[in-house]
Amino acid sequence: ETGVTQSPTHLIKTRGQQVTLRCSSQSGHNTVSWYQQALGQGPQFIFQYYREEENGRGNFPPRFSGLQFPNYSSELNVNALELDDSALYLCASSLGGQETQYFGPGTRLLVL
Amino acid sequence: KQEVTQIPAALSVPEGENLVLNCSFTDSAIYNLQWFRQDPGKGLTSLLLIQSSQREQTSGRLNASLDKSSGRSTLYIAASQPGDSATYLCAVSVSGAQKLVFGQGTRLTINP
Repeated sequence: ETGVTQSPTHLIKTRGQQVTLRCSSQSGHNTVSWYQQALGQGPQFIFQYYREEENGRGNFPPRFSGLQFPNYSSELNVNALELDDSALYLCASSLGGQETQYFGPGTRLLVL
Repeated sequence: KQEVTQIPAALSVPEGENLVLNCSFTDSAIYNLQWFRQDPGKGLTSLLLIQSSQREQTSGRLNASLDKSSGRSTLYIAASQPGDSATYLCAVSVSGAQKLVFGQGTRLTINP
């Protein structure tokens, strides 16, 4: 059974640029959730995708968007990057929206 | 709005001690509560999950309890070891919602 994987592991961007982060869900899981974790803080929910549809969204602006593909992998896109977007971005997969979520290793994004 | 608080923010104890980490939440309408471990710069590892109908869960030297009526959970670590040093995060899954709400974590250091 393959666990949750994320790519890239690290990324450096400049303010105003756009970034795409990728997540492959655990085998058999149809739901992917994305979280942002700033340094020294707990993760904050960005949004969740269930069977290719957005299934809940946290308090993040529209420049944070996502996709889920037929194989249940997912992308997180962030436009017009700001310095405060620097964080660890975590993806988690589950079988259903309220079942146990299994987290990937994260992508660390630094915005300069 | 569900809020999760973890006290203390940091804890340093000598090896071999038993210790308790605390988590409190404001809304008792939870689906489950989960304790995670996070090593520096890494993703989250699930330690224990307690369903809302349960009072406690045990795994090895770890025991987590849940008191929904008072909005509290504790994570008990027996016979602590230097390898237990990490940040411990508590998260609740809110009934009817798709997200996990996290506390800010307790940074635990076990001194040899």
